[in-house]
Amino acid sequence: NAGVTQTPKFQVLKTGQSMTLQCAQDMNHEYMSWYRQDPGMGLRLIHYSVGAGITDQGEVPNGYNVSRSTTEDFPLRLLSAAPSQTSVYFCASSPTGNYGYTFGSGTRLTVV
Amino acid sequence: KNEVEQSPQNLTAQEGEFITINCSYSVGISALHWLQQHPGGGIVSLFMLSSGKKKHGRLIATINIQEKHSSLHITASHPRDSAVYICAAVKSNTGNQFYFGTGTSLTVIP
Repeated sequence: NAGVTQTPKFQVLKTGQSMTLQCAQDMNHEYMSWYRQDPGMGLRLIHYSVGAGITDQGEVPNGYNVSRSTTEDFPLRLLSAAPSQTSVYFCASSPTGNYGYTFGSGTRLTVV
Repeated sequence: KNEVEQSPQNLTAQEGEFITINCSYSVGISALHWLQQHPGGGIVSLFMLSSGKKKHGRLIATINIQEKHSSLHITASHPRDSAVYICAAVKSNTGNQFYFGTGTSLTVIP
Protein backbone atom coordinates (compact mmCIF):
# COMPACT_ATOMS: atom_id res chain seq x y z
CA ASN A 1 0.00 0.00 0.00
CA ALA A 2 1.20 3.51 -0.78
CA GLY A 3 2.13 5.56 2.24
CA VAL A 4 4.86 6.44 4.68
CA THR A 5 6.91 3.58 6.09
CA GLN A 6 8.86 4.01 9.31
CA THR A 7 11.33 1.52 10.69
CA PRO A 8 11.91 0.27 13.29
CA LYS A 9 8.63 0.39 15.25
CA PHE A 10 10.38 -0.03 18.59
CA GLN A 11 13.99 0.55 19.66
CA VAL A 12 15.90 0.58 22.92
CA LEU A 13 19.27 2.34 22.96
CA LYS A 14 21.91 2.86 25.57
CA THR A 15 23.04 6.39 26.32
CA GLY A 16 25.72 7.43 23.85
CA GLN A 17 24.76 4.99 21.12
CA SER A 18 23.89 6.24 17.65
CA MET A 19 21.16 5.05 15.34
CA THR A 20 19.12 6.00 12.29
CA LEU A 21 15.35 6.04 12.13
CA GLN A 22 14.23 5.30 8.60
CA CYS A 23 11.38 6.99 6.76
CA ALA A 24 10.34 6.21 3.19
CA GLN A 25 7.38 7.33 1.08
CA ASP A 26 6.26 6.15 -2.33
CA MET A 27 3.87 8.98 -3.21
CA ASN A 28 6.48 11.25 -4.81
CA HIS A 29 5.85 13.86 -2.12
CA GLU A 30 8.29 16.76 -2.06
CA TYR A 31 7.78 17.70 1.60
CA MET A 32 8.88 15.40 4.42
CA SER A 33 9.21 16.07 8.11
CA TRP A 34 10.11 14.46 11.44
CA TYR A 35 8.28 15.05 14.74
CA ARG A 36 8.62 13.83 18.26
CA GLN A 37 5.67 13.33 20.57
CA ASP A 38 6.07 13.56 24.33
CA PRO A 39 3.37 13.34 27.03
CA GLY A 40 1.96 16.75 27.90
CA MET A 41 3.92 18.49 25.14
CA GLY A 42 2.26 17.29 21.99
CA LEU A 43 4.04 16.93 18.68
CA ARG A 44 7.10 19.05 17.92
CA LEU A 45 8.88 19.48 14.62
CA ILE A 46 12.50 18.28 14.56
CA HIS A 47 13.60 18.71 10.94
CA TYR A 48 11.91 19.05 7.59
CA SER A 49 12.73 18.93 3.90
CA VAL A 50 11.02 20.66 0.99
CA GLY A 51 12.73 18.47 -1.61
CA ALA A 52 15.74 16.31 -2.36
CA GLY A 53 18.94 17.97 -1.23
CA ILE A 54 17.15 20.56 0.94
CA THR A 55 16.69 20.27 4.70
CA ASP A 56 16.00 22.73 7.48
CA GLN A 57 15.63 22.79 11.24
CA GLY A 58 12.36 22.77 13.11
CA GLU A 59 11.56 23.59 16.70
CA VAL A 60 13.75 20.96 18.43
CA PRO A 61 16.66 20.00 16.13
CA ASN A 62 19.47 19.58 18.67
CA GLY A 63 20.89 16.06 18.80
CA TYR A 64 19.44 15.05 15.45
CA ASN A 65 20.73 15.10 11.87
CA VAL A 66 18.86 14.56 8.63
CA SER A 67 19.66 14.26 4.95
CA ARG A 68 17.50 14.00 1.84
CA SER A 69 19.47 12.41 -0.97
CA THR A 70 16.34 11.10 -2.73
CA THR A 71 12.69 12.19 -2.87
CA GLU A 72 11.64 8.91 -1.25
CA ASP A 73 13.84 8.73 1.84
CA PHE A 74 14.32 11.02 4.83
CA PRO A 75 16.34 9.31 7.58
CA LEU A 76 16.70 10.81 11.06
CA ARG A 77 20.03 10.22 12.80
CA LEU A 78 20.62 10.33 16.52
CA LEU A 79 24.32 11.01 16.92
CA SER A 80 24.74 10.21 20.63
CA ALA A 81 21.50 9.13 22.24
CA ALA A 82 20.42 10.72 25.52
CA PRO A 83 17.55 9.77 27.87
CA SER A 84 15.88 13.08 26.92
CA GLN A 85 15.43 11.66 23.43
CA THR A 86 13.10 8.96 24.72
CA SER A 87 9.96 9.66 22.73
CA VAL A 88 7.68 8.54 19.94
CA TYR A 89 8.92 9.73 16.56
CA PHE A 90 6.67 10.33 13.57
CA CYS A 91 7.61 10.96 9.98
CA ALA A 92 5.17 12.66 7.61
CA SER A 93 5.05 13.61 3.96
CA SER A 94 2.97 15.98 1.87
CA PRO A 95 2.86 16.94 -1.80
CA THR A 96 3.77 20.56 -1.04
CA GLY A 97 3.65 21.02 2.73
CA ASN A 98 0.29 22.77 2.66
CA TYR A 99 -2.12 19.85 2.58
CA GLY A 100 -2.56 16.13 2.21
CA TYR A 101 -0.28 15.04 5.01
CA THR A 102 0.36 11.31 5.44
CA PHE A 103 1.94 10.14 8.68
CA GLY A 104 3.99 7.06 9.35
CA SER A 105 2.97 4.69 12.14
CA GLY A 106 5.66 5.94 14.49
CA THR A 107 8.83 4.68 16.17
CA ARG A 108 8.85 4.29 19.95
CA LEU A 109 12.39 4.96 21.14
CA THR A 110 13.64 4.39 24.67
CA VAL A 111 17.11 5.55 25.71
CA VAL A 112 18.39 4.00 28.93
CA LYS B 1 2.78 29.97 26.71
CA ASN B 2 2.06 27.60 23.84
CA GLU B 3 1.26 29.39 20.59
CA VAL B 4 -1.55 26.92 19.92
CA GLU B 5 -4.02 26.14 22.70
CA GLN B 6 -6.72 23.49 22.63
CA SER B 7 -9.71 22.96 24.87
CA PRO B 8 -10.86 20.88 26.48
CA GLN B 9 -7.91 18.58 27.21
CA ASN B 10 -10.21 15.67 27.91
CA LEU B 11 -13.79 15.10 26.85
CA THR B 12 -16.20 12.27 27.57
CA ALA B 13 -19.48 12.12 25.67
CA GLN B 14 -22.42 9.78 25.32
CA GLU B 15 -22.97 8.21 21.94
CA GLY B 16 -25.04 10.51 19.73
CA GLU B 17 -23.95 13.75 21.35
CA PHE B 18 -22.74 16.76 19.40
CA ILE B 19 -19.09 17.45 20.22
CA THR B 20 -17.03 20.62 19.87
CA ILE B 21 -13.27 20.90 20.26
CA ASN B 22 -11.71 24.35 20.23
CA CYS B 23 -8.34 25.62 19.05
CA SER B 24 -6.95 29.12 19.56
CA TYR B 25 -3.68 30.44 18.23
CA SER B 26 -1.71 33.58 18.92
CA VAL B 27 0.36 33.95 15.74
CA GLY B 28 -0.29 34.70 12.10
CA ILE B 29 -0.94 31.53 10.19
CA SER B 30 -1.19 30.44 6.59
CA ALA B 31 -3.29 27.37 7.37
CA LEU B 32 -4.64 25.26 10.19
CA HIS B 33 -4.86 21.48 10.25
CA TRP B 34 -6.92 19.08 12.31
CA LEU B 35 -5.40 15.66 12.94
CA GLN B 36 -6.80 12.52 14.54
CA GLN B 37 -4.60 10.15 16.51
CA HIS B 38 -6.07 6.71 17.07
CA PRO B 39 -5.56 4.78 20.32
CA GLY B 40 -2.97 2.65 18.51
CA GLY B 41 -0.94 5.77 17.78
CA GLY B 42 -1.53 6.29 14.06
CA ILE B 43 -2.14 9.88 12.91
CA VAL B 44 -4.57 10.83 10.18
CA SER B 45 -4.98 14.26 8.63
CA LEU B 46 -8.66 15.29 8.78
CA PHE B 47 -8.81 18.84 7.46
CA MET B 48 -6.70 21.72 6.25
CA LEU B 49 -8.33 25.14 6.56
CA SER B 50 -7.29 28.62 5.58
CA SER B 51 -10.76 30.16 5.79
CA GLY B 52 -14.42 29.31 6.29
CA LYS B 53 -15.70 25.83 6.87
CA LYS B 54 -15.16 22.27 5.65
CA LYS B 55 -17.30 19.17 6.13
CA HIS B 56 -16.47 15.51 5.75
CA GLY B 57 -19.15 13.08 6.81
CA ARG B 58 -20.01 13.79 10.45
CA LEU B 59 -16.99 16.04 10.93
CA ILE B 60 -17.13 19.81 10.45
CA ALA B 61 -14.21 22.20 10.85
CA THR B 62 -14.48 25.97 10.97
CA ILE B 63 -11.98 28.76 11.26
CA ASN B 64 -12.31 32.45 12.10
CA ILE B 65 -9.11 34.17 10.98
CA GLN B 66 -9.93 37.49 12.68
CA GLU B 67 -10.57 35.82 16.04
CA LYS B 68 -7.66 33.34 15.57
CA HIS B 69 -9.92 30.46 16.47
CA SER B 70 -10.92 27.14 14.94
CA SER B 71 -13.42 24.50 16.00
CA LEU B 72 -13.86 20.86 15.16
CA HIS B 73 -17.40 19.54 15.49
CA ILE B 74 -18.52 15.93 15.49
CA THR B 75 -22.22 15.30 14.93
CA ALA B 76 -23.94 12.13 16.17
CA SER B 77 -20.80 10.95 17.93
CA HIS B 78 -19.95 7.25 17.95
CA PRO B 79 -17.53 5.18 20.05
CA ARG B 80 -15.26 4.80 17.01
CA ASP B 81 -14.71 8.57 17.18
CA SER B 82 -12.75 8.01 20.40
CA ALA B 83 -9.28 9.37 19.69
CA VAL B 84 -7.00 12.29 20.34
CA TYR B 85 -7.75 15.29 18.13
CA ILE B 86 -4.85 17.61 17.43
CA CYS B 87 -4.90 21.13 16.07
CA ALA B 88 -1.80 22.24 14.12
CA ALA B 89 -1.13 25.76 12.91
CA VAL B 90 1.19 26.56 10.04
CA LYS B 91 2.84 29.84 10.95
CA SER B 92 3.10 32.39 8.19
CA ASN B 93 6.53 32.70 6.61
CA THR B 94 7.92 29.54 8.25
CA GLY B 95 8.12 27.26 5.25
CA ASN B 96 5.14 25.14 6.28
CA GLN B 97 6.27 24.31 9.79
CA PHE B 98 3.56 22.96 12.06
CA TYR B 99 2.99 24.22 15.58
CA PHE B 100 0.81 21.76 17.46
CA GLY B 101 -1.71 21.98 20.23
CA THR B 102 -1.37 19.34 22.94
CA GLY B 103 -4.48 17.52 21.79
CA THR B 104 -7.97 16.75 23.06
CA SER B 105 -8.60 13.22 24.22
CA LEU B 106 -12.17 12.24 23.30
CA THR B 107 -13.96 9.20 24.69
CA VAL B 108 -17.42 8.38 23.39
CA ILE B 109 -19.37 6.01 25.61
CA PRO B 110 -21.98 3.67 24.09
